[in-house]
Amino acid sequence: EADIYQTPRYLVIGTGKKITLECSQTMGHDKMYWYQQDPGMELHLIHYSYGVNSTEKGDLSSESTVSRIRTEHFPLTLESARPSHTSQYLCASSDAGQANEQYFGPGTRLTVT
Amino acid sequence: AQSVAQPEDQVNVAEGNPLTVKCTYSVSGNPYLFWYVQYPNRGLQFLLKYITGDNLVKGSYGFEAEFNKSQTSFHLKKPSALVSDSALYFCAVRDLSGGSYIPTFGRGTSLIVHP
Repeated sequence: EADIYQTPRYLVIGTGKKITLECSQTMGHDKMYWYQQDPGMELHLIHYSYGVNSTEKGDLSSESTVSRIRTEHFPLTLESARPSHTSQYLCASSDAGQANEQYFGPGTRLTVT
Repeated sequence: AQSVAQPEDQVNVAEGNPLTVKCTYSVSGNPYLFWYVQYPNRGLQFLLKYITGDNLVKGSYGFEAEFNKSQTSFHLKKPSALVSDSALYFCAVRDLSGGSYIPTFGRGTSLIVHP
């Protein structure tokens, strides 16, 4: 079944740790995105990719990095987690064409203590 | 440049009554418009979109939206609200003339349907 997956769903981690949030999609979409969202609040785009080996920073300044080595995989890495990184992280993908909607994963709720 | 506004942080409606969640947009060219719904602890789910053609767009779960070019609006509607419709709703826009695939999302509107 075509879908978009994020792991872990919940993560509690100490300050200074390196973490990687995983995102995979089975729809063959070229475009993938990472958003940060505080609970019940607006979305902030932090990274996006138009395809393999293509990554761009979004509107929100972030201390995270991403990679796109395979079409289906778009991991987000925080080299040194801080309490200010506590938030929900949503991964999304979309097919080619401006008219195509985004498909979102279930999100990762990150808490940095 | 593209932008979208959702003027209401929260909309309250009684079950069985019609609901409207408002969205206005600003683009340089023609817009692609989208509505998404987010349930607690979940990602966003696509509801419907306007690309071109009929101004009334029908989507999932009985929702529809009306594109009004003169008022630059794309309000989400449902004739009879259900308690299970209670969720966070996001409007999004892409400007065809901008050449970007990145949509701009509104701040979201919390819909609360009372039994």
